[in-house]
Amino acid sequence: DAKTTQPPSMDCAEGRAANLPCNHSTISGNEYVYWYRQIHSQGPQYIIHGLKNNETNEMASLIITEDRKSSTLILPHATLRDTAVYYCIVRTRGSTLGRLYFGRGTQLTVWP
Amino acid sequence: NAGVTQTPKFQVLKTGQSMTLQCAQDMNHEYMSWYRQDPGMGLRLIHYSVGAGITDQGEVPNGYNVSRSTTEDFPLRLLSAAPSQTSVYFCASSYSNSATNEKLFFGSGTQLSVL
Repeated sequence: DAKTTQPPSMDCAEGRAANLPCNHSTISGNEYVYWYRQIHSQGPQYIIHGLKNNETNEMASLIITEDRKSSTLILPHATLRDTAVYYCIVRTRGSTLGRLYFGRGTQLTVWP
Repeated sequence: NAGVTQTPKFQVLKTGQSMTLQCAQDMNHEYMSWYRQDPGMGLRLIHYSVGAGITDQGEVPNGYNVSRSTTEDFPLRLLSAAPSQTSVYFCASSYSNSATNEKLFFGSGTQLSVL
């Protein structure tokens, strides 16, 4: 599975959009991009995933560049409860979940 | 459904002691795994299982044993605890191993200290 690169930390004002980037320049055509987040001391929580097209759900939007070498997770109206570590992961379609490596993620701090 | 349940939540061991971290899920998930989390290191995969009777190693398997005798349970055993195993441990499960839209469900974690 391809590796990802994320900034170690970011901050955002409450009510504003939080845009979290992820670089996955070695991604291959059948690899999905997943995002999870971990609020302090809790287990990680699934947010969203995508392959080529942009995706949106009740939590966030995922924008994947046309060449698929990078993506951005967007929290449209960040709240204090969105303060967490955000993990960007790529995994090969059909590969074992056992190869799902999380890395260090981005610490997002939302301030009042 | 209770989801993924981990016990205990906290544990203190002395070097050389053995213990088992318990993980159970009630969602009939095929896939289960164990991660450890250390400050500044993110989550690292220890062992995983794609079904009853099948286990495999992840990134950091040394010092840990697992078995999967039932679909519901996936215990993690520390044979001889060492201070380097002080960490927070998370168990995770998913319905299947290979579907393209699989989501991992995590337990609330076990904080282990080895003195």
